[in-house]
Amino acid sequence: ETGVTQTPRHLVMGMTNKKSLKCEQHLGHNAMYWYKQSAKKPLELMFVYNFKEQTENNSVPSRFSPECPNSSHLFLHLHTLQPEDSALYLCASSQGGTGKTIQYFGAGTRLSVL
Amino acid sequence: AQTVTQSQPEMSVQEAETVTLSCTYDTSESDYYLFWYKQPPSRQMILVIRQEAYKQQNATENRFSVNFQKAAKSFSLKISDSQLGDAAMYFCASITQGGSEKLVFGKGTKLTVNP
Repeated sequence: ETGVTQTPRHLVMGMTNKKSLKCEQHLGHNAMYWYKQSAKKPLELMFVYNFKEQTENNSVPSRFSPECPNSSHLFLHLHTLQPEDSALYLCASSQGGTGKTIQYFGAGTRLSVL
Repeated sequence: AQTVTQSQPEMSVQEAETVTLSCTYDTSESDYYLFWYKQPPSRQMILVIRQEAYKQQNATENRFSVNFQKAAKSFSLKISDSQLGDAAMYFCASITQGGSEKLVFGKGTKLTVNP
């Protein structure tokens, strides 16, 4: 257990649905991240938040909308997704957003878009 | 831009034996960090070991050690006395100090441990 909890563990949604992924960290960290892990591709960084402020958007389509209400919680709101968005979505947190800090990951949400 | 390459999609090792996973990276920065993460079937990405580029000494964590060759931009992971619980996907990653918080990953190596 790394102290980063993601819910739900699995999610199946249609292309017209709206759903949200939730991430909560119990480590007192101030930086949180969303990653996408697709089969046979490297993990892709999607968004970075430092002290609730978005500091990185890695050219992610607008159908993915992140929200960080406080340093402990991170959401990823999903709407009108495409089948190619099916993947494992991982959340991570770290103390400080500098290179020397270690990122701690959750177990991910496995998303299937039908 | 940073890139990380893992040339071994799959590796296998006998229990109690030693295995080495390869990783090469490319960066124009002088100050950076390298990581090996393990992702078992439970999907939880767990840090195995970290190396700071300015340190010449290779990092070690119990049965895990790295061979960091800065000039060659190589960062291999050696697992000694392999255990069944070591079976997982292993990802090499790098991040630049002072830059964005982008942790760049390789595609991973699937390690199988045979009893």
